[in-house]
Amino acid sequence: DAGVIQSPRHEVTEMGQEVTLRCKPISGHDYLFWYRQTMMRGLELLIYFNNNVPIDDSGMPEDRFSAKMPNASFSTLKIQPSEPRDSAVYFCASSPGQKSYEQYFGPGTRLTVT
Amino acid sequence: AQKITQTQPGMFVQEKEAVTLDCTYDTSDPSYGLFWYKQPSSGEMIFLIYQGSYDQQNATEGRYSLNFQKARKSANLVISASQLGDSAMYFCAMRASDMRFGAGTRLTVKP
Repeated sequence: DAGVIQSPRHEVTEMGQEVTLRCKPISGHDYLFWYRQTMMRGLELLIYFNNNVPIDDSGMPEDRFSAKMPNASFSTLKIQPSEPRDSAVYFCASSPGQKSYEQYFGPGTRLTVT
Repeated sequence: AQKITQTQPGMFVQEKEAVTLDCTYDTSDPSYGLFWYKQPSSGEMIFLIYQGSYDQQNATEGRYSLNFQKARKSANLVISASQLGDSAMYFCAMRASDMRFGAGTRLTVKP
């Protein structure tokens, strides 16, 4: 299995632009998680899906952030408009089940907003 | 509310010695899972070990073991026979209603 795939690996954009991050989970995993990692705030859970349905989006910082999972093999995290404080590494992770299963992380997308 | 606490921002250990990384947690959910992940300087997140809240025995995976003390709500990671390649950030995490990570501990193994 190829593991969790994220694209792009690096993204540099200007403030005000729309940014879309993409994730392909491991086939058969029915949980998908989006995280943001910064030096100041550590690793924060933004949102997670179960069977393509958003379960908890309380970690999404504000309305500029949105996430979708149109099917079991694809998810997007969109920031519109982007701001310099959104600069971070964004991880996608998938899991085959509930609490007893570890999450498999993608390599992350390093986002820089100038 | 769920909470994970790692109180050691940084730790040093001599190569070949054992080291314990602390983790405490808080949750009202009787069923939860506890995880440790390693993040080397390259940035990827690597799963190390898992402990279920109902597991009677402490989890072990090679040189990693989890010292689970349920009454104290602690889930410390023990790394035996440290290697230079163990130098990394280590995150404790808990999965109950969602998934929460601690702030991490940076481990440096000295030759």
